[in-house]
Amino acid sequence: GQNIDQPTEMTATEGAIVQINCTYQTSGFNGLFWYQQHAGEAPTFLSYNVLDGLEEKGRFSSFLSRSKGYSYLLLKELQMKDSASYLCAALDSNYQLIWGAGTKLIIKP
Amino acid sequence: GAVVSQHPSRVICKSGTSVKIECRSLDFQATTMFWYRQFPKQSLMLMATSNEGSKATYEQGVEKDKFLINHASLTLSTLTVTSAHPEDSSFYICSARQGGRETEAFFGQGTRLTVV
Repeated sequence: GQNIDQPTEMTATEGAIVQINCTYQTSGFNGLFWYQQHAGEAPTFLSYNVLDGLEEKGRFSSFLSRSKGYSYLLLKELQMKDSASYLCAALDSNYQLIWGAGTKLIIKP
Repeated sequence: GAVVSQHPSRVICKSGTSVKIECRSLDFQATTMFWYRQFPKQSLMLMATSNEGSKATYEQGVEKDKFLINHASLTLSTLTVTSAHPEDSSFYICSARQGGRETEAFFGQGTRLTVV
């Protein structure tokens, strides 16, 4: 079956760095998305990776290893507003999005 | 990024009534729109995928007659929850894809439905 695994919850300190991991098992693969979702709001797009490697966008970076079925989202210089859930989603061979349950990130002062 | 507007953001309705939720892509044409439902502390559950001008494709376990989806134009899709019951109370979110199948989906603001 198809499956996305990511930690349920993580805690980090303001100003620090945190890495949120995601492993996926899908029927075929056409890329991986990361979304940010604040409580009670809809998700917002953060990144898309389809090739191996690291893509950097300001304080956020996303990494993909297709051979390992693994991705991570790296958040630097954490701010209180980064407290949110981070959703990992993989596109399968039919271009269907398979969603993880999300990682709730708690930022402490 | 592209903007998707979902309306209403909150609705409370009586059990047995129907509720319509609209999803509009404001500055792009969305050939494909998705409807999700999300329970507290859970991930998005895809309910159906709709393509403009054709019938929606529903996921297994989602009742077609209860959740009516209409995608009449490239900028508008609607979800109607018919004969709503308290167990239908949830957060409903639409998303739309602007371009090819690898492109990101943009989400509406979501609709918090409460059935009393």
